[in-house]
Amino acid sequence: QQQVKQSPQSLIVQKGGIPIINCAYENTAFDYFPWYQQFPGKGPALLIAIRPDVSEKKEGRFTISFNKSAKQFSLHIMDSQPGDSATYFCAAIMNRDDKIIFGKGTRLHILP
Amino acid sequence: EPEVTQTPSHQVTQMGQEVILRCVPISNHLYFYWYRQILGQKVEFLVSFYNNEISEKSEIFDDQFSVERPDGSNFTLKIRSTKLEDSAMYFCASTETGQGYGYTFGSGTRLTVV
Repeated sequence: QQQVKQSPQSLIVQKGGIPIINCAYENTAFDYFPWYQQFPGKGPALLIAIRPDVSEKKEGRFTISFNKSAKQFSLHIMDSQPGDSATYFCAAIMNRDDKIIFGKGTRLHILP
Repeated sequence: EPEVTQTPSHQVTQMGQEVILRCVPISNHLYFYWYRQILGQKVEFLVSFYNNEISEKSEIFDDQFSVERPDGSNFTLKIRSTKLEDSAMYFCASTETGQGYGYTFGSGTRLTVV
């Protein structure tokens, strides 16, 4: 119930390609879905986030698609660059809670 | 941009020894957290702290763990008698309002128990 399932575990994409990372959840009490980006030796940093009343959110080259009925959401990175190589975590937070439930992470590598 | 600072970046300790991981949260933040990430696994919540007391703790946060805000700037995580399975990356985080979307994470302390 408290889990967020993330796939794939790792992903290699050519520069300019569109990596897609998928996540799924069970608990409908989650009402905020952030994505975190983590570079080696650094802590997770908030990248983009969405609430379930919105089906899509774009910030620059990053887009979240949200399917509330399927309880799934995904991150797309447009025109990916080698600098986007990092570990990406999807996450979920429950209403009025401050605890983040993380997915297992996707290690993304963008080939030059 | 304000940062959450953690020290040390890497700590190696013998099994059974006590370790203290240190964090300096962002100065105007009032809510503090510790999370841990075992190598290759997800980031997991350990404990939240507000107004000088624990707000919530996970089942991972057993009697071997304690947190403290010894002064106006530091926030520490103590593991009393380390086990091999405590080896992980430990992240400190803080928020201003206690809302889950306002987190700032530190860069982490890699704890290796040998």
